[in-house]
Amino acid sequence: GAVVSQHPSWVICKSGTSVKIECRSLDFQATTMFWYRQFPKQSLMLMATSNEGSKATYEQGVEKDKFLINHASLTLSTLTVTSAHPEDSSFYICRAERELSEQYFGPGTRLTVT
Amino acid sequence: GENVEQHPSTLSVQEGDSAVIKCTYSDSASNYFPWYKQELGKRPQLIIDIRSNVGEKKDQRIAVTLNKTAKHFSLHITETQPEDSAVYFCAASGNDYKLSFGAGTTVTVRA
Repeated sequence: GAVVSQHPSWVICKSGTSVKIECRSLDFQATTMFWYRQFPKQSLMLMATSNEGSKATYEQGVEKDKFLINHASLTLSTLTVTSAHPEDSSFYICRAERELSEQYFGPGTRLTVT
Repeated sequence: GENVEQHPSTLSVQEGDSAVIKCTYSDSASNYFPWYKQELGKRPQLIIDIRSNVGEKKDQRIAVTLNKTAKHFSLHITETQPEDSAVYFCAASGNDYKLSFGAGTTVTVRA
């Protein structure tokens, strides 16, 4: 099956700093990538939809200025958590779509803000 | 937007017994219903999916049923094994490819 990678797999940062998370589709072109956040023992919550070459579409309640998304190419989308705070600590997962029945999750990035 | 409800939140079954998880959705335009298995700290893994033009789909010990009229779908796992223990999520999507997830069911298979 297709492979989607995320980098880093885990990161610890200090409050107030910014963190960039990369999501790559390694063997296919993904015109659309989705970013999810998952708090411990909770479900996956869609944060935004990222389309190559255009601005991301954010879900209600997600601050676009805090969670910057850039989909620079058909194989790379980045999520930058700006001025991170402890409440941003979570598991961030991307999903790359090739077709509706061919969608692949990245392995996730564990962010801990101290 | 789509709202997916999932029950039960936890499920404990004896090895060899069946497990059933039920989900309802709100948007009649949803046409794709996948089920995921997630182990601790790992990505969700697609285990089975169904489209709205199909009422039932089976893959070995796993089956999914869909009732479009009632807007609910269910996951059935037969002959459960300890390795089936995990968190299971249902999801629903329309043509926008956005997936709305249920709250998850923690399944524990007792040996």
